Amino acid sequence: EPEVTQTPSHQVTQMGQEVILRCVPISNHLYFYWYRQILGQKVEFLVSFYNNEISEKSEIFDDQFSVERPDGSNFTLKIRSTKLEDSAMYFCASMLGDYGYTFGSGTRLTVV
Amino acid sequence: AQSVAQPEDQVNVAEGNPLTVKCTYSVSGNPYLFWYVQYPNRGLQFLLKYITGDNLVKGSYGFEAEFNKSQTSFHLKKPSALVSDSALYFCAVRDRISSASKIIFGSGTRLSIRP
Repeated sequence: EPEVTQTPSHQVTQMGQEVILRCVPISNHLYFYWYRQILGQKVEFLVSFYNNEISEKSEIFDDQFSVERPDGSNFTLKIRSTKLEDSAMYFCASMLGDYGYTFGSGTRLTVV
Repeated sequence: AQSVAQPEDQVNVAEGNPLTVKCTYSVSGNPYLFWYVQYPNRGLQFLLKYITGDNLVKGSYGFEAEFNKSQTSFHLKKPSALVSDSALYFCAVRDRISSASKIIFGSGTRLSIRP
């Protein structure tokens, strides 16, 4: 069964540094998403991406964040100048255009 | 705006007993409804979905959920709980307004099954 792949599984970074979280969506999917989950809490929507542009973003997704699909395969989330409160699990998801998402297994980001 | 409510932070059930995890939603028009499960330090695992048709939806691991439009609910049920069902469960909703519309998650319910 096709999977959404996220790398790395765990990233530790120093406060103030930039991180890039990587996702490889399912190859024929058209819609891409990033979600965030602070440890054991609610899963929060960050951004959706379609046709090489952002479709929707939440209030969490401020200028600190950006997304890119640089090569038609990878889908990346960049977090600039990381803060302690950015520590969370970040999930990527993709969707063909029907109703169901496929989620990746997540990247745990720890900011120290 | 769409929203999902899971009124119980924690549900405790004895193994072998039936379980119910409650979910209510608010969305414009007819919703897509989902249940996901998360085991410790793991990702989100899809359990089941309601799209259209029969209001009773059957999913993975013996779970089922009933779509009740009048009560705007989508409670998750299982006739006989297993200790291995202990996990964090999320209800989620998506509207049909746009093909790109996002899934919104509830706050999660921690299910604990005692032996």
